[in-house]
Amino acid sequence: KQEVTQIPAALSVPEGENLVLNCSFTDSAIYNLQWFRQDPGKGLTSLLLIQSSQREQTSGRLNASLDKSSGRSTLYIAASQPGDSATYLCAVGADKLIFGTGTRLQVFP
Amino acid sequence: DTGVSQDPRHKITKRGQNVTFRCDPISEHNRLYWYRQTLGQGPEFLTYFQNEAQLEKSRLLSDRFSAERPKGSFSTLEIQRTEQGDSAMYLCASSFLGGETEAFFGQGTRLTVV
Repeated sequence: KQEVTQIPAALSVPEGENLVLNCSFTDSAIYNLQWFRQDPGKGLTSLLLIQSSQREQTSGRLNASLDKSSGRSTLYIAASQPGDSATYLCAVGADKLIFGTGTRLQVFP
Repeated sequence: DTGVSQDPRHKITKRGQNVTFRCDPISEHNRLYWYRQTLGQGPEFLTYFQNEAQLEKSRLLSDRFSAERPKGSFSTLEIQRTEQGDSAMYLCASSFLGGETEAFFGQGTRLTVV
């Protein structure tokens, strides 16, 4: 059974810092890995999709890497801003997604 | 296309009542998913459709839950005889074909059972 773990559960940093959020999964036979952002009381916004044949994806200040052999993904956020404050979720799967419990990020001015 | 749309955004109901939620996926997407999310947790898979066919249901989907996608477009999720434990955010997502494609989520329906 696939299990997804995210560390840390919460993170509070000053504006401008570079951040690394971690995601680990138990079954390396994944089809893809997707990172999402969720603001309080809202739905999920897709940030990055890494397909099984890929090792990383980049979008603006975000970079996500995937190491299937070790069952890990990292989301790197460069030059964090207060607007980045949200919960970040990673999910793995194909027909259905298995989610971690998220990392709650607060970036203060 | 404005993305995945869910209605209503919020629903408060008394225990024992029936509720129905609607999801309109991105128009060209043939896969539609329902998830449930409780406070502090990640979303949990409930069920998904490919076109009008319901292909998988989670054990979380008790007999009181039913989902339909009659014409392969919008979907409804009905909960009968609601219980307080049904209080959660119900999220809908859609994707094209599934597999190695990106899933897009709606804003969710927040259900509160009192």
